[in-house]
Amino acid sequence: DAKTTQPNSMESNEEEPVHLPCNHSTISGTDYIHWYRQLPSQGPEYVIHGLTSNVNNRMASLAIAEDRKSSTLILHRATLRDAAVYYCILTCIPGGYQKVTFGIGTKLQVIP
Amino acid sequence: GAVVSQHPSWVICKSGTSVKIECRSLDFQATTMFWYRQFPKQSLMLMATSNEGSKATYEQGVEKDKFLINHASLTLSTLTVTSAHPEDSSFYICSAAETGKRYEQYFGPGTRLTVT
Repeated sequence: DAKTTQPNSMESNEEEPVHLPCNHSTISGTDYIHWYRQLPSQGPEYVIHGLTSNVNNRMASLAIAEDRKSSTLILHRATLRDAAVYYCILTCIPGGYQKVTFGIGTKLQVIP
Repeated sequence: GAVVSQHPSWVICKSGTSVKIECRSLDFQATTMFWYRQFPKQSLMLMATSNEGSKATYEQGVEKDKFLINHASLTLSTLTVTSAHPEDSSFYICSAAETGKRYEQYFGPGTRLTVT
């Protein structure tokens, strides 16, 4: 599996944007970039995914570098409920239903 | 949206007993389900991949005779921890991949197992 590298932790003030970086320099051409987050004592929650183009949904935006070796998850206005561990994961095709390998992730603290 | 449930949400058992954890996809069919284990302050570790109607595929280092997985239908997979010991105490999480949609997994809320 291609590996991802994320900072162990980040802090943000409430109501401010947060940019969570992820490096994936060994990404292959067919790898999708996924982001999940895990709130304390809960299962992970899907946030967003993309392949080459930037993506937006109601939860966040995903900015993917032109060379695809890095990406950034953008939370436009952090709230206290966004405090979680954020995982950046690569899933490849083909292969059907992909097993997902979780790294350490980035623990986001939101300061009121 | 796709919902995955787990039952029980928490369980306490005595050393030597067996515990069964259920994982259900509530509003979609899941050909493939995954079982993870998470120790405190650590990341999720994949234990096994469960495919409906066939034997589960276990990750290296996971004892298949200790962690029995049964995926008998397209909406239910079970994980049985046999002869549980205190070191098996952990947070067990399942996920399900919706049939026909290859890139998203939906995770259950997890089951906290404590073995005394």
